Amino acid sequence: QSALTQPPSASGSPGQSVTISCTGTSSDVGGYKYVSWYQQHPGKAPKLMIYEVSKRPSGVPDRFSGSKSGNTASLTVSGLQAEDEADYYCNSYAGSNYVVFGGGTKLTVL
Amino acid sequence: QLQLQESGPGLVKPSETLSLTCTVSGGSISSSSYYWGWIRQPPGKGLEWIGSIYYSGTTYYNPSLKSRVTISVDTSKNQFSLKLSSVTAADTAVYYCARHGLWFGDMDVWGKGTTVTASS
Repeated sequence: QSALTQPPSASGSPGQSVTISCTGTSSDVGGYKYVSWYQQHPGKAPKLMIYEVSKRPSGVPDRFSGSKSGNTASLTVSGLQAEDEADYYCNSYAGSNYVVFGGGTKLTVL
Repeated sequence: QLQLQESGPGLVKPSETLSLTCTVSGGSISSSSYYWGWIRQPPGKGLEWIGSIYYSGTTYYNPSLKSRVTISVDTSKNQFSLKLSSVTAADTAVYYCARHGLWFGDMDVWGKGTTVTASS
C-alpha cells in the first residue's frame, strides 16, 4: 500500500482559515469512514485532533474540523493561531487490519 | 490518566535485532476496546505504522515490515514489546507506542517516543 498524499506545506495568517488535503484511494480514504488527523510539534509525539473523518476528541478546539469527499479527506483550521504551527498527518484504515499514514504537511502561521 | 512509556537500547548494530518495550500505566492493557501499536518516524520524515497487538495476543503487521517484526504482549506486566530483526541504517527512527481503537486509525494516547540508531 502507498502512503496517502498530502501537500508538503500550507500557510496562513493569524485569524485566517487553512485547509489541508489527504488523498488516497477507494481502498483506504474512499472506502471507510476511519480517517484521523494528528498534530505534531517539533520533538513531540503526535496528538490526535480528528477521528472518524470529522469527530473531535475532548479538549480539541472547535477551530479544527474534518471532512471527506470521495478519496480525499480534508482538515480545516479556522481562526489560525500561532500555536497551530506544526506538522499535520492524516491516516486511514485501509482494510485487512492495516492503517496507512500521509506524508505530512508543515503548517506555517505567517 | 493513561500513560505509555517506551524503553530499550538507543543504539543497535546493523544486522542485529532492535528490542523495545512499552509500559502502560493508569489503565489496563487488557481492555477489550483497544489495540496497542508501534509507529516509527525516521529523522525528518513522516510516520509509519509498524504493527499492532490485541491483549489476547492477536497481531497485525505492516506488510512491508512483516518478515522482520514480532510484537508481543505481557498482560501481567501491562507491557507490550517490539522486536525488529536484521536492522539497517534505514531503521534509524523515533519509535512510538500508541493506543488505538478497533479500526486502527484513532491513535489517541501516545508515548513520548524513543530514538533508536542503527550504527556500528
